[in-house]
Amino acid sequence: GAGVSQSPRYKVAKRGQDVALRCDPISGHVSLFWYQQALGQGPEFLTYFQNEAQLDKSGLPSDRFFAERPEGSVSTLKIQRTQQEDSAVYLCASSLAGYSYEQYFGPGTRLTVT
Amino acid sequence: AQSVAQPEDQVNVAEGNPLTVKCTYSVSGNPYLFWYVQYPNRGLQFLLKYITGDNLVKGSYGFEAEFNKSQTSFHLKKPSALVSDSALYFCAVRDKNTDKLIFGTGTRLQVFP
Repeated sequence: GAGVSQSPRYKVAKRGQDVALRCDPISGHVSLFWYQQALGQGPEFLTYFQNEAQLDKSGLPSDRFFAERPEGSVSTLKIQRTQQEDSAVYLCASSLAGYSYEQYFGPGTRLTVT
Repeated sequence: AQSVAQPEDQVNVAEGNPLTVKCTYSVSGNPYLFWYVQYPNRGLQFLLKYITGDNLVKGSYGFEAEFNKSQTSFHLKKPSALVSDSALYFCAVRDKNTDKLIFGTGTRLQVFP
């Protein structure tokens, strides 16, 4: 069965470049989450969608970060004018709607900004 | 604010011995608690959850966790550790207002043959 997929798996960007990270959730999962995981740390919440609606973007660190899920399925996390502090693993997770359901995570995209 | 704490950065255990990875939580109301495992260069894999009901929760790969309300703990346990259990383990609590997961800092489990 297909799990959550993310692409690319690795991305190297020069400081100032824009990047786009893609997430394909599990089919039928209404909820989609983005997390940022710095080296040696636990994942930190970035943003949350229910279908195409972005219900919470309180974790986005700056206005350089933007996420969308226009058709309620695939989601893209975009980072404009990347900075070195953006280097991290970006994890996408999806789940059925409701507090009792677990989130399933993709393998992540490792972003390195040089 | 809701939070979880994992007091141990690393836990070392010999193969075949029981293991415990500790987690304590701070939430208002009833907590929704989760354990995830992360292998190198891979995403997080769900192990088990406590939502309501029995305090002893059984999960994947022989892991279980005990919810203790009076001690505000949700420790992960396994009766007999395997070398292949060596990985990074995260405890998390679900924010009831937004559904996001709030993670602990992680505990690295090392099982020695």
